[in-house]
Amino acid sequence: EAQVTQNPRYLITVTGKKLTVTCSQNMNHEYMSWYRQDPGLGLRQIYYSMNVEVTDKGDVPEGYKVSRKEKRNFPLILESPSPNQTSLYFCASSSPRARGGIDGYTFGSGTRLTVV
Amino acid sequence: AQSVSQHNHHVILSEAASLELGCNYSYGGTVNLFWYVQYPGQHLQLLLKYFSGDPLVKGIKGFEAEFIKSKFSFNLRKPSVQWSDTAEYFCAVESGNTGKLIFGQGTTLQVKP
Repeated sequence: EAQVTQNPRYLITVTGKKLTVTCSQNMNHEYMSWYRQDPGLGLRQIYYSMNVEVTDKGDVPEGYKVSRKEKRNFPLILESPSPNQTSLYFCASSSPRARGGIDGYTFGSGTRLTVV
Repeated sequence: AQSVSQHNHHVILSEAASLELGCNYSYGGTVNLFWYVQYPGQHLQLLLKYFSGDPLVKGIKGFEAEFIKSKFSFNLRKPSVQWSDTAEYFCAVESGNTGKLIFGQGTTLQVKP
């Protein structure tokens, strides 16, 4: 089944303790992206990647890191989490269109992160 | 800065009523447009998309959207809503062909049986 898989689904952690949220897709998609969803703010893009070893900042990259060493994986790293990073996180992937750009992101099921 | 606005934050309709959700964006160049739906407790699913050509696009579940370039709008419509359409709806815009997809704040639709 074609899908984007995120782990873990739920995570409670303490301020300052480094964590990684994994994301993997099995559709051979070039594009991958991370979003956070907060009430009243919709989804905001954290980082995105157009291909292996190519990453770009989205609208809210502060406090986050990503890497794209393999096509299928795009982990999100919080080096020193803070309470304002408590949110619902979504990973997404997309194939490219012939003229460039995305064909439409397929989203994972989400990771609910609480930082206390 | 580029932005996407959804003016209706919360819409309540009775079953069989017609639906129109507004979406406006601020980017002046080439755009690719999307509508997503998020059912309670679930992830986002793509409803429809527009890249070029006929500005009236049809998606899944009977939804359609019309791109009006002069108004920078991409409104979502459905002639007759069902209780199962209760969900949050997001408009999203990709500026150029970059993979950078910006979402609106979302509209919560509640359909009363």
